[in-house]
Amino acid sequence: RKEVEQDPGPFNVPEGATVAFNCTYSNSASQSFFWYRQDCRKEPKLLMSVYSSGNEDGRFTAQLNRASQYISLLIRDSKLSDSATYLCVVNLYGTASKLTFGTGTRLQVTL
Amino acid sequence: NAGVTQTPKFRVLKTGQSMTLLCAQDMNHEYMYWYRQDPGMGLRLIHYSVGEGTTAKGEVPDGYNVSRLKKQNFLLGLESAAPSQTSVYFCASSRVPGQGYSNQPQHFGDGTRLSIL
Repeated sequence: RKEVEQDPGPFNVPEGATVAFNCTYSNSASQSFFWYRQDCRKEPKLLMSVYSSGNEDGRFTAQLNRASQYISLLIRDSKLSDSATYLCVVNLYGTASKLTFGTGTRLQVTL
Repeated sequence: NAGVTQTPKFRVLKTGQSMTLLCAQDMNHEYMYWYRQDPGMGLRLIHYSVGEGTTAKGEVPDGYNVSRLKKQNFLLGLESAAPSQTSVYFCASSRVPGQGYSNQPQHFGDGTRLSIL
């Protein structure tokens, strides 16, 4: 089992749709959680941190479920520009800010 | 507004050659990291540093060395390049976790594409 696991997709959705991604992690004591976005042949960029109570940033909502060891990302009103790979990122062991990256979920938003 | 800068952006090497990748950050971050990204594998940590003069091994350190002589720079060296080291290399930096900063995201450079023939 991978330490941070994501459905690779691709998720193909029409513009305006709502889409959700889940990610599971292996260590129940994990400390920090993030969603990153990576465009093709570009560097990963922080999309949002994930807080215990859940948090929202515009059209994006992140949730953390510690009991089930997963985090989720919800994108509402999808835009063409949301097409990218979304990386689930976890500080599994709480040391030196070392992060473990999922392999990503690819999203393609179409007209 | 540079953030994290990596040089070079592209390089082709022959097997057995050596080279150094340079990472520079201007955000006064204590922590710096080198990753490689391969198709289907996600980012894997090669080496990291928690401060000037200190380095540590990550998940896949074999065949690489690093140095952090200055806080703002983190160098990744390949002593004898092998085709298995063909990859995209990313450098990242972050602040030190502390009170009120439990979540410390990493900021990435735009990558170095390295091909070993």
